[in-house]
Amino acid sequence: EDKVVQSPLSLVVHEGDTVTLNCSYEVTNFRSLLWYKQEKKAPTFLFMLTSSGIEKKSGRLSSILDKKELSSILNITATQTGDSAIYLCAVGVDSGTYKYIFGTGTRLKVLA
Amino acid sequence: NAGVTQTPKFRVLKTGQSMTLLCAQDMNHEYMYWYRQDPGMGLRLIHYSVGEGTTAKGEVPDGYNVSRLKKQNFLLGLESAAPSQTSVYFCASRIAGGTDTQYFGPGTRLTVL
Repeated sequence: EDKVVQSPLSLVVHEGDTVTLNCSYEVTNFRSLLWYKQEKKAPTFLFMLTSSGIEKKSGRLSSILDKKELSSILNITATQTGDSAIYLCAVGVDSGTYKYIFGTGTRLKVLA
Repeated sequence: NAGVTQTPKFRVLKTGQSMTLLCAQDMNHEYMYWYRQDPGMGLRLIHYSVGEGTTAKGEVPDGYNVSRLKKQNFLLGLESAAPSQTSVYFCASRIAGGTDTQYFGPGTRLTVL
């Protein structure tokens, strides 16, 4: 059974701290790994990582895919209160039709 | 471009009632998905569609039916609502080929009493 596990489940930090969120997966027919940020409503896309693009960076956020370890990390440096959200990891699976398996998410709270 | 829209935003049902949630996208996307999100459970795939007239089951399809009669619309039906179907429902769409990025609708909060 395809599975995506995120850790930690929740995290409380202070502004300026650096955080690392983890995502590990066990799936057949891996196609991609995606990170989303979810504040009060719909998830918004952050990064997509594939075999041909294992590292992405945007401002204070960066992500790496380790295909050997079947995992990915999302780093946020110099955290701000606006980073408070649930961070979701999803793995795209290509089994004839494309679908996604989501992890349970990591809830990040950044204190001023 | 409205992107992905969902109707209604909120709904309260009594056990046994039926309803249909509508998802519409104006991006000409081939693939559409219905998810439910429960506390501590992340997003779970209910049903999805890879094109007009096609549907497939996801992880948690029981108690739901779907239809994709038009490319831009994906309907999720509850024939006989149960309290276990209380959840936030998200629709998403993506283009076939190319990027795997899904675009999400704003969600529908459903409560079944």
